Amino acid sequence: AQSVTQPDIHITVSEGASLELRCNYSYGATPYLFWYVQSPGQGLQLLLKYFSGDTLVQGIKGFEAEFKRSQSSFNLRKPSVHWSDAAEYFCAVAPTDSWGKLQFGAGTQVVVTP
Amino acid sequence: EAGVTQFPSHSVIEKGQTVTLRCDPISGHDNLYWYRRVMGKEIKFLLHFVKESKQDESGMPNNRFLAERTGGTYSTLKVQPAELEDSGVYFCASSPGANSYEQYFGPGTRLTVT
Repeated sequence: AQSVTQPDIHITVSEGASLELRCNYSYGATPYLFWYVQSPGQGLQLLLKYFSGDTLVQGIKGFEAEFKRSQSSFNLRKPSVHWSDAAEYFCAVAPTDSWGKLQFGAGTQVVVTP
Repeated sequence: EAGVTQFPSHSVIEKGQTVTLRCDPISGHDNLYWYRRVMGKEIKFLLHFVKESKQDESGMPNNRFLAERTGGTYSTLKVQPAELEDSGVYFCASSPGANSYEQYFGPGTRLTVT
């Protein structure tokens, strides 16, 4: 069955430290890949996306993600987190033959400590 | 440019009652999507409109849910009669045209069925 896995439900990180959020998928063919963020009281905002090409993708707010086909992974990283990065992060995939139907991971809640 | 808006932001109803959620997509976006997040679970796809037509309604849980998009503009999602398990956050998203993978999300409607 097709699936998207975010193994970390909750991560606590100190302000200024690096952050890495994991995402693995299980699909027959490489889907299109996304990371969204939801800050309290806000809707989901797209951080970055991967369709093809360069496997290191730059997004907004200083985030980047690396696609690794051999590991079926699309991990999100930020070198130095800010208190405003506290939010819930969602990995999502869209099958290339069903482009309107995003499938989400369970989400990772990020807490930033001073 | 206004984003995706949803109304109400929060609704509390009793089991057996009817509730109608509304979504206004970004102006000019042909595609409109509904998703739902039940507490503790992943965000799940419900359905996808292209203009006023249902492109994919494979995620609709049962026939108590009715989605409409009259005139290809705003959309409503009616739950009748509501059950306890319908509680959750209902997200709406929109995207411009065909094969437009980047979906813009609204803030969601939190539905509580008591």
